[in-house]
Amino acid sequence: NAGVTQTPKFQVLKTGQSMTLQCAQDMNHNSMYWYRQDPGMGLRLIYYSASEGTTDKGEVPNGYNVSRLNKREFSLRLESAAPSQTSVYFCASNLAEQETQYFGPGTRLLVL
Amino acid sequence: DAKTTQPTSMDCAEGRAANLPCNHSTISGNEYVYWYRQIHSQGPQYIIHGLKNNETNEMASLIITEDRKSSTLILPHATLRDTAVYYCIVRVVTTSGTYKYIFGTGTRLKVLA
Repeated sequence: NAGVTQTPKFQVLKTGQSMTLQCAQDMNHNSMYWYRQDPGMGLRLIYYSASEGTTDKGEVPNGYNVSRLNKREFSLRLESAAPSQTSVYFCASNLAEQETQYFGPGTRLLVL
Repeated sequence: DAKTTQPTSMDCAEGRAANLPCNHSTISGNEYVYWYRQIHSQGPQYIIHGLKNNETNEMASLIITEDRKSSTLILPHATLRDTAVYYCIVRVVTTSGTYKYIFGTGTRLKVLA
């Protein structure tokens, strides 16, 4: 049982490049989340998916898109990366929205 | 949304109890308090949560004041491996009926040998 996994671990992009961050969970959870964490700050919610087939915006969705590919996988896409998107990205999941969230190890993204 | 206020940093001697305070004075009646910690910028790790009553598990105890405006996380016998950033989080219910974690900036706990 790997829990929540994220790929890649690290990525460097140039301004304007696109990329997709992958997240998968093997806990049969229904809800999944994408957060970003800037230096010295708490986590802020980008997008979430309460269940397979649904996605909703969080606190800071601008510049991102998401896809809930199936129950296990939830991806985050940056269409045109900007330096302001330099951050650590965390994926999380829970069985249902009201339950405890479990986090992945994070993806560190640097946009030059 | 309810917000949390925590001290920026704290030190604790190894083997002693670490008491981490959190203020959440605008919390609503159905909003839970969660505690997570983050070690070396890894993913946040769940510790404990509660609504009104005090809670205890194998990792920690959570003491919530009667008016629910503040809480304290207690690590009973801190070890060096407990050095981390500790987040007090309020789980709110949005107007659309979904649940959301509101993170603060956390307390950096350093356990000293």
